[in-house]
Amino acid sequence: EIVLTQSPGTLSLSPGERATLSCRASQSVSSSYLAWYQQKPGQAPRLLIYGVSSRATGIPDRFSGSGSGTDFTLTISRLEPEDFAVYYCQQYGSSPYTFGQGTKLEIK
Amino acid sequence: EVLLVESGGGLVQPGGSLRLSCAASGFTFSNYAMHWVRQAPGKGLEFVSAINSNGGSTYYANSVKGRFTISRDNSKNTLYLQMGSLRAEDMAVYYCARDLGYCSSTSCYSYFDHWGQGTLVTVSS
Repeated sequence: EIVLTQSPGTLSLSPGERATLSCRASQSVSSSYLAWYQQKPGQAPRLLIYGVSSRATGIPDRFSGSGSGTDFTLTISRLEPEDFAVYYCQQYGSSPYTFGQGTKLEIK
Repeated sequence: EVLLVESGGGLVQPGGSLRLSCAASGFTFSNYAMHWVRQAPGKGLEFVSAINSNGGSTYYANSVKGRFTISRDNSKNTLYLQMGSLRAEDMAVYYCARDLGYCSSTSCYSYFDHWGQGTLVTVSS
């Protein structure tokens, strides 16, 4: 199965700053089938991005995804207070689908 | 509004059984494959099981194959997970999730736009 490694494990930034989160796959992700989710404490994950760069319904345009092959990035252009959470990448081009271990975005 | 509501979690002894349910509303349930994804305390997300839209195909993680059974009742808009021979490593919050991708006869290429709030399964003596 494809292993996804997210970095950094924790990212400390201030509101208004730009966040760059990385997701690296152990092998190429087929058909650009990569998604990103946001999870806040005690809540279910929320879909942000699918197909590497398509924003899900209702997701603000400060969230963007990019990458190909084995290297993918989630960028939050200007952090809002509600963006501090844990972020997971997921590949769904190879069965079984797998998730990264998460990046915690915390307030500096 | 799409709503997924899990129930059935609780405390169970190692080797015991539990049945989870996920009641769906706000969409045509029978049009979507559905999944169970779990999250152990303080850990990441893990695929558990999936079922296609008509219930004719099921999929399992190797870690639960032979112990868990997924099913659905499209007339009741409900997804189920029958869990048996439970182990300490099965302890987690179990989420049901709606599939926006697709499942072939053998595999699922799935991502999820709606999740339930989760139900906690605790395995302990």
